[in-house]
Amino acid sequence: GESVGLHLPTLSVQEGDNSIINCAYSNSASDYFIWYKQESGKGPQFIIDIRSNMDKRQGQRVTVLLNKTVKHLSLQIAATQPGDSAVYFCAENLTGFQKLVFGTGTRLLVSP
Amino acid sequence: DGGITQSPKYLFRKEGQNVTLSCEQNLNHDAMYWYRQDPGQGLRLIYYSQIVNDFQKGDIAEGYSVSREKKESFPLTVTSAQKNPTAFYLCASKTVDRDGQFFGPGTRLTVL
Repeated sequence: GESVGLHLPTLSVQEGDNSIINCAYSNSASDYFIWYKQESGKGPQFIIDIRSNMDKRQGQRVTVLLNKTVKHLSLQIAATQPGDSAVYFCAENLTGFQKLVFGTGTRLLVSP
Repeated sequence: DGGITQSPKYLFRKEGQNVTLSCEQNLNHDAMYWYRQDPGQGLRLIYYSQIVNDFQKGDIAEGYSVSREKKESFPLTVTSAQKNPTAFYLCASKTVDRDGQFFGPGTRLTVL
């Protein structure tokens, strides 16, 4: 069945470093992917998304890379700041379905 | 949290009681969703609704019920049949022409 998972449950970085959070998905029929940031006790916040017809998309300080060959998604955060500390989730949408499948999340810890 | 409100933020319930969680959105979104999140875990889909007066079960619908009488409202009832209801509950919404979901701030339910 479909599933989304993350390689690293916790990532610790120093302020100013670049962070890379990885996500593996198993369903090749997924056509849309999205990254969310969730701070403690709050709802997930949209960061960036990408469609399956693209392999890279950039936002402000963030870049999402999609490798369909190996079913891998990554979120790159440039010049990581303490305010970036949170849990990051990836999610995939199967073509024709109106629901997302979420991974378990990666906790990003940024030290000053 | 962008136009999606959930109330209350914290809710305590005695075992054996039903409780209803509120979710309202003023974004004119067509689809609405309820998720459950347990500590250190990802989001699991309880119910979703794509149009008024229609809804579908998600992956963990047992012990829950919903209604969608108005486009802007999608209340979730946690019934006494739910074996382990203590969790963080998240509501989300989206338009039909976009795949990304926007989340509310969440309700933390604790069963005493």
